[in-house]
Amino acid sequence: DGGITQSPKYLFRKEGQNVTLSCEQNLNHDAMYWYRQDPGQGLRLIYYSQIVNDFQKGDIAEGYSVSREKKESFPLTVTSAQKNPTAFYLCATGDILTGETQYFGPGTRLLVL
Amino acid sequence: SQQGEEDPQALSIQEGENATMNCSYKTSINNLQWYRQNSGRGLVHLILIRSNEREKHSGRLRVTLDTSKKSSSLLITASRAADTASYFCATDAQGGSEKLVFGKGTKLTVNP
Repeated sequence: DGGITQSPKYLFRKEGQNVTLSCEQNLNHDAMYWYRQDPGQGLRLIYYSQIVNDFQKGDIAEGYSVSREKKESFPLTVTSAQKNPTAFYLCATGDILTGETQYFGPGTRLLVL
Repeated sequence: SQQGEEDPQALSIQEGENATMNCSYKTSINNLQWYRQNSGRGLVHLILIRSNEREKHSGRLRVTLDTSKKSSSLLITASRAADTASYFCATDAQGGSEKLVFGKGTKLTVNP
């Protein structure tokens, strides 16, 4: 998991509540990514950012929002508009200049109460 | 949009045997990567093979790439119980996309 931390490890959301998942990195990577993983499935891209104060939608951005105010941080908010948020959320980073490999955090499991 | 599709979905073998997983993709790529995920954990990068390479080795891992068939295979030799995990292929899109597209993975179980 290297220099990428995600918190909390488990998160419980009540109906209609917004929750924020934290992702912090000390790898000095420019690019950061948020993926969603459902049981037995691959990863689907939610949002990604290549530079501070800029980010792009991935394949399943609806019901999610992000910010990139610092290079080290890329928090993901799961809004009340996301009707099926139960999943495993993975944050990743990448060094665009030196390679295409992505480095993953340990993940946050979001459950709905 | 999932480009990579792994095959088989699940594989169960005995320790010491070889494990082969396959990945097929749809569009032209710059490179293809394989990642490993232990249950409930993040993914770990295993190996990257570029579109102009046909085979690559790393320890007990051997990856092949056939761009004419748009397919790749991951071979783990002399498997160990600790190799039990899910394995994913990921492709980029030719043209320099910074995004990766992951397949659904192959769940490998190595029985001691």
